[in-house]
Amino acid sequence: AQSVTQLDSQVPVFEEAPVELRCNYSSSVSVYLFWYVQYPNQGLQLLLKYLSGSTLVESINGFEAEFNKSQTSFHLRKPSVHISDTAEYFCAVSLNTGFQKLVFGTGTRLLVSP
Amino acid sequence: SQTIHQWPATLVQPVGSPLSLECTVEGTSNPNLYWYRQAAGRGLQLLFYSVGIGQISSEVPQNLSASRPQDRQFILSSKKLLLSDSGFYLCAWSARGPGSPLHFGNGTRLTVT
Repeated sequence: AQSVTQLDSQVPVFEEAPVELRCNYSSSVSVYLFWYVQYPNQGLQLLLKYLSGSTLVESINGFEAEFNKSQTSFHLRKPSVHISDTAEYFCAVSLNTGFQKLVFGTGTRLLVSP
Repeated sequence: SQTIHQWPATLVQPVGSPLSLECTVEGTSNPNLYWYRQAAGRGLQLLFYSVGIGQISSEVPQNLSASRPQDRQFILSSKKLLLSDSGFYLCAWSARGPGSPLHFGNGTRLTVT
């Protein structure tokens, strides 16, 4: 079965600094990868996804993630964060065959301070 | 466009009382439906999923049950709540086919006292 590891439970960073949120997965077969963002007391929103093709995927708000098959990673990066990026970020993986069932990491809380 | 509605937003229930959380999806047909639970400081745990009316798959043995009486309606229930049932419950839907992302409702925060 597939699994996801987000080693950093919390990442503090200053506004306008770059940030990387780490995600590693484990699976014996090919996978789809996702990043979701959750603001306080809300549901999760899809940030970006990797299905196939280019290993670098981007979101509309400046985040990007790179699929690295050899390192089984899908780290999320942003070159310059804003206060409004403060939220919980979840990495998720699903197998690319059969029923779509996501397995989530435990989340990383991004804290952006002025 | 598709929307997902989940209610209530918050709920405080005593131990031993019943539970019913409802989720409906609009703007799509034959969605896959999911119930997740998010405990404080932890990730999301898949509780149930459904690929069609009356078809429910349970991921973990527990005090909860789910039903799908209509194509776009998903209900989470319990006959007698336990303290350990407290948490943030999230309903989600996805289109059929591999690679389809999940779309989440705004969640229900359940506190069992």
